[in-house]
Amino acid sequence: NAGVTQTPKFQVLKTGQSMTLQCAQDMNHNSMYWYRQDPGMGLRLIYYSASEGTTDKGEVPNGYNVSRLNKREFSLRLESAAPSQTSVYFCASSEGLGYSYNEQFFGPGTRLTVL
Amino acid sequence: QQQVKQSPQSLIVQKGGISIINCAYENTAFDYFPWYQQFPGKGPALLIAIRPDVSEKKEGRFTISFNKSAKQFSLHIMDSQPGDSATYFCAAMEAGTALIFGKGTTLSVSS
Repeated sequence: NAGVTQTPKFQVLKTGQSMTLQCAQDMNHNSMYWYRQDPGMGLRLIYYSASEGTTDKGEVPNGYNVSRLNKREFSLRLESAAPSQTSVYFCASSEGLGYSYNEQFFGPGTRLTVL
Repeated sequence: QQQVKQSPQSLIVQKGGISIINCAYENTAFDYFPWYQQFPGKGPALLIAIRPDVSEKKEGRFTISFNKSAKQFSLHIMDSQPGDSATYFCAAMEAGTALIFGKGTTLSVSS
C-alpha cells in the first residue's frame, strides 16, 4: 500500500496564478484533511472531508477551495495564489466518519512557494 | 488564542539522556491527546496517544505523562538516540471537533 500520496512534491507559483494540489489514499478511509505547516506555527487545518461530497472549513480556509472527488481523492485548489500561501501542505486521512480519535496518516507534503 | 501551548520550541539532548517536551491546554473538554513525530522532509506520524482516564502511557522508550488537574501533558523520551532527532507535535481534541496541534518542538540528539 502506498498510503497517502501527494502531487506535486514542489511547486513555485507567481502571485495570482492558480494550481491544484492532489491527494489520494488507498486505505479506504472515509475522512481526509488538508493542513498547512509554517515555521513555528505547527499544523493548521485548512479543510476537512468526512466523506465523498462533504467538506468543512477548518481553521484557515480563506484563499482555498477543496473537492472530494471520490473516496480516494481530495484536492486543494488555490485560485489566486498569494505570497502568504507559501507553505508546506500536508494531506492526511483517517478511518471513521466525522472528527474521531482515529490515527491520522499523513502524506509526504507539497512544498509551495509563491513569489 | 492558542489552545495547545507546547514548550520548548527546540531542545538539544545528549545521546542516552532524557528528552522532555511539555504541553498545556485550557479546554477541559479535550479528551484525546496524541503526539506526532515528524522527520525532515516527511509527513508527521502518530507516535503515542493518551486518553484522560489514565495518568501515564508507555510505549518502549516513549512515555506520555498526563496531569488532568494541571491541564498538562508531556512526552518523555528515555535513552534518547540520534535517530530520535525530529520535530514533535502534541495535539488535543474533544469529541466531534478537529484535532488541534501545538507549534512543535525540534529535538536534536547529539552523539
